[in-house]
Amino acid sequence: EVQLVESGGGLVKPGESLTLSCAASGFTFGSHTMNWVRQAPGKGLQWVSSINGNSEYKYYADSVKGRFIIARDNANQSLYLHMKSLRAEDTAVYYCARYVRDLWNGYQYYFDYWGQGALVTVSS
Amino acid sequence: DIQLTQSPSSLSASVGDRVTIACQASKDITDYLNWYQQKPGKAPKLLIYDASNLATGVPSRFSGRQSGTEFTLTINGLQPEDVATYYCQQYDDFPLTFGPGTKVDL
Repeated sequence: EVQLVESGGGLVKPGESLTLSCAASGFTFGSHTMNWVRQAPGKGLQWVSSINGNSEYKYYADSVKGRFIIARDNANQSLYLHMKSLRAEDTAVYYCARYVRDLWNGYQYYFDYWGQGALVTVSS
Repeated sequence: DIQLTQSPSSLSASVGDRVTIACQASKDITDYLNWYQQKPGKAPKLLIYDASNLATGVPSRFSGRQSGTEFTLTINGLQPEDVATYYCQQYDDFPLTFGPGTKVDL
């Protein structure tokens, strides 16, 4: 059974840093592009970042570029999001989401499994 | 960036109604468009991929169509469990983008 479990959320002050983790199980982690998608309270879904299976390619939303770093550890089946210089507008539930396959490894790309989400609150 | 607009932003319907949600892309994205359902407090769930393909386990009352850059999600025979917010999402190019969502209630 595929499982994605986020951890590391919490309350931080503006300007501080935080790292989210996503523990994956039930599938061959390195064969899938992994993603972070966030949802501010009462708002819609916003893609944040993606990383391909061997970490060669990383993509970021403009709103987080230069502040967030996505990383993965295939040996430990874990995905990370290192967040720095956090702002109030980064307050959201952060979801770890699996892409059905790795980038450029076929057709049809979609988020097929999601974690339960980790709440990050940025407030003074 | 590719913009996705959804209409309506919300709707109310009755059990058994046919419900249609539209998603307009700002440029040609071929059929690289997915639909997700999100219930309150839950993670999104894939409904339709590549504009018209039903995801595994999704009831057949859900369907998707495409006409150029306009995509539609239809629920044929709305059920109480379909109360949710529906999002379209494109993967033609990075940044990946979602539509703003359509809230469906009874």
